[in-house]
Parts: sequence; C-alpha cells; structure tokens
Amino acid sequence: AQSVAQPEDQVNVAEGNPLTVKCTYSVSGNPYLFWYVQYPNRGLQFLLKYITGDNLVKGSYGFEAEFNKSQTSFHLKKPSALVSDSALYFCAVRAVNKFYFGSGTKLNVKP
Amino acid sequence: EAQVTQNPRYLITVTGKKLTVTCSQNMNHEYMSWYRQDPGLGLRQIYYSMNVEVTDKGDVPEGYKVSRKEKRNFPLILESPSPNQTSLYFCASSETQGHGELFFGEGSRLTVL
Repeated sequence: AQSVAQPEDQVNVAEGNPLTVKCTYSVSGNPYLFWYVQYPNRGLQFLLKYITGDNLVKGSYGFEAEFNKSQTSFHLKKPSALVSDSALYFCAVRAVNKFYFGSGTKLNVKP
Repeated sequence: EAQVTQNPRYLITVTGKKLTVTCSQNMNHEYMSWYRQDPGLGLRQIYYSMNVEVTDKGDVPEGYKVSRKEKRNFPLILESPSPNQTSLYFCASSETQGHGELFFGEGSRLTVL
C-alpha cells in the first residue's frame, strides 16, 4: 500500500536557525515527491517537487529538499528559518494517478 | 490569474440534505481531484478525474459522488450527508503528465449537524 509518513506533528526552531521537516514514503515504482505549505484558512501552496535527477531540489521561498532513495525519504530543509515560515507543511507522493499526503507537520519559528 | 475556485467556502447543513460543492479551474488542466482534510490525517483523496467523463475513486469515496461534464468543472456531491462528513474539503487540478503538481482551491469547510 502507498503511504507517506511525517513523524513529527510539530517542529520548533528559532529564527535564523536551519530547519528540517521529515518525510518518508512507501510507494511502488518511481515516485514523484512534493512538498506543500498551508497557511491558516488557505489552500495548499506548492513548494517544490522531485521527479528525477539531482537529489537536492530547490523550491520557493528558499526551501530545498533532499531525496534519499535508499532511505525512502524526502526531507524539507531551509538554511535560515523566518518567522513567516510558520505554517503547516505537507509531504505528498504522486503514484500513477493518485496523490497520497502525510499527516502534516506544524512548523513554529520563534523570534 | 490562474486559479481553482470552490464554492461555498463555508456551509452548515443537516443530515440527509443533499448538497453540492462546486469547483472550477481556468488553467485548462485535464486532471482534477477532491480531498478532505481532517486533523491528524492529512489530506485524503476522495475522487479524481483524468479528463471529461473520466472519473475514478480515491481512497475515501464512500458517501460522495462526482461528475465531469466539462473540462473546467468538477463538482462534489453529497447525496445524503452525515456528521462524519464534517470536514475541510479541497479541490485541486493538475496537468495530466505524471509529475505535475496540484493547484489547490481555498477550501470549503462543511459542517453536517
């Protein structure tokens, strides 16, 4: 069965520090991997995706993600967190015609 | 402006009263889909459509219907809503190519009493 896991419900980080939001997946075949961000009372916004090629993917707002095939992980990272990065983050996998989402990780960036 | 538009944004209804949540996209996307978001469960796919007149079940289709008569529209129908369908619903669209990302609407918060 296809699944996506985000092991941390919440991540707390101080402004200016690096951040990591973890994601692991279980999908048959070659997956397409995505990160989305959701601000309060808004829809999800696309951040970045991995299709193939370089394992480090760069996306919007200074975010990047590292694909690790052997660990089936796709962790979201940012070198220096901003208070405005505080939001709910979702990892997702596209397997053929279906999308599977993780349960979400709330990122809190404190001044 | 490229967008996915859902209506209504907020709705309170009673058990058994049929309702429809509309979804429209202006990006000429072939792929459209519906999700429900519940705390601790993330987003779960209800139905998706690869093109006009082509729809298929996602992971949680029970109690829902969809139709795709036009490329831009993909309404979600709850024939007889129940309280366990109280949730936040999102419509999204994407290019059909395998790695296209989803573009989401702003969400529709539904409460079934």
